[in-house]
Amino acid sequence: EVQLVESGGGLVQPGGSLRLSCAASGFTFSDYYIYWVRQAPGKGLEWVGHIRNKVNSYTTDYAASVRGRFTILGDDSQNSLYLQMNSLKTEDTAVYYCARAPPGHAPDYWGQGTLVTVSS
Amino acid sequence: QAVLTQPSSLSASPGASASLTCTLRSGINIGAYRIYWYQQKPGSPPQYLLRYNSDSDKQQGSGVPSRFSGSKDASANAGILLVSGLQSEDEADYYCMIWHGGAWVFGGGTTLTVL
Repeated sequence: EVQLVESGGGLVQPGGSLRLSCAASGFTFSDYYIYWVRQAPGKGLEWVGHIRNKVNSYTTDYAASVRGRFTILGDDSQNSLYLQMNSLKTEDTAVYYCARAPPGHAPDYWGQGTLVTVSS
Repeated sequence: QAVLTQPSSLSASPGASASLTCTLRSGINIGAYRIYWYQQKPGSPPQYLLRYNSDSDKQQGSGVPSRFSGSKDASANAGILLVSGLQSEDEADYYCMIWHGGAWVFGGGTTLTVL
């Protein structure tokens, strides 16, 4: 069974940093792309970024709204993925989902999400 | 103007069909894009429903009933999610998604009410 479990969310002050984790199981981690997608309270979905699979050299893409502040890191040995978030802004407040995607496609399995609140 | 536009809400009766549209901005041709559709119920993550590009390039999500289907309306420059035989459990938010200009883009979502 494919499973993705996010953790690491919480309350952080503007300008602060936070690292989210995504633990994957039930599939060969290195074969798939992993996405981060967020959803602000009461709002729609927003793609944050993704990391490609091993065959595609684990390259990354990011949304313009987070580029230069957020970094996606993978750890094949742990079947885990991380979203390092720096210089956080109040508008980064959202539930953050990690999701699996077949290469070149949109996600097909999603985790339950973790809430990040940026507030003073 | 947003890349993808979805009506904010839609209502339909149980047993009827609902057609949810995802309209691409003028100048972006629907024919060049795969459209992905998601369903999200309150308090839950999105669930992948299907992707549609053409009748020869489409995929149903695992376990997704065949009463959910995709198509395109070239004249309207829109992707369509058709939900047939509506059931109360189909009440949810529905999002479309495409890869455009080096980024993944979501539509604003449609809230489907079954009443």
